[in-house]
Amino acid sequence: EPEVTQTPSHQVTQMGQEVILRCVPISNHLYFYWYRQILGQKVEFLVSFYNNEISEKSEIFDDQFSVERPDGSNFTLKIRSTKLEDSAMYFCASGTSGNTEAFFGQGTRLTVV
Amino acid sequence: AQSVTQLGSHVSVSEGALVLLRCNYSSSVPPYLFWYVQYPNQGLQLLLKYTTGATLVKGINGFEAEFKKSETSFHLTKPSAHMSDAAEYFCAVSDQGGGYQKVTFGTGTKLQVIP
Repeated sequence: EPEVTQTPSHQVTQMGQEVILRCVPISNHLYFYWYRQILGQKVEFLVSFYNNEISEKSEIFDDQFSVERPDGSNFTLKIRSTKLEDSAMYFCASGTSGNTEAFFGQGTRLTVV
Repeated sequence: AQSVTQLGSHVSVSEGALVLLRCNYSSSVPPYLFWYVQYPNQGLQLLLKYTTGATLVKGINGFEAEFKKSETSFHLTKPSAHMSDAAEYFCAVSDQGGGYQKVTFGTGTKLQVIP
């Protein structure tokens, strides 16, 4: 069964460093999403991406964040200068017309120290 | 704008007892509704979803939920709790159709099952 794959499963980075979280969406999907879950809190929408551009972003998604689909298979989330409060689980999701749901990856746990 | 309210951040039930997790939604358009389960330090697993048609939907692990439009509710139930059901449960909503499926999550309910 096709699935969304995220790597790495856990990343530790120093405050101020840049980090790139990687996702491989399901191959025929056209819509891509990033969500964030701070420990003990709810899952929050960050950004959606369609047709090679951001279609919607939340107020959390400020200038330190960027997304990219560098090739036909990967979808990345870059955090330019990480802060302690960026520590969270980051979920990638993808979907397409004809589906009734977005499919979520297993998440990348980012720890900023 | 869509939103989801989950009543009770923590629910405790005895093993074998009924599980009832409450969810109310707000949506200006007909919604898709979901329940996800998250075990500690793991990802999100889809339990069940309502899209259209039958309002009582069955999911994995013996869970079911009923869409009640008049009450804007989508409560999750299971007749008999099992120890393995201990987890956090998230109710979620998205718009119907068009392929764009941005999901809005509730704040979650942690289910504790007491032996």
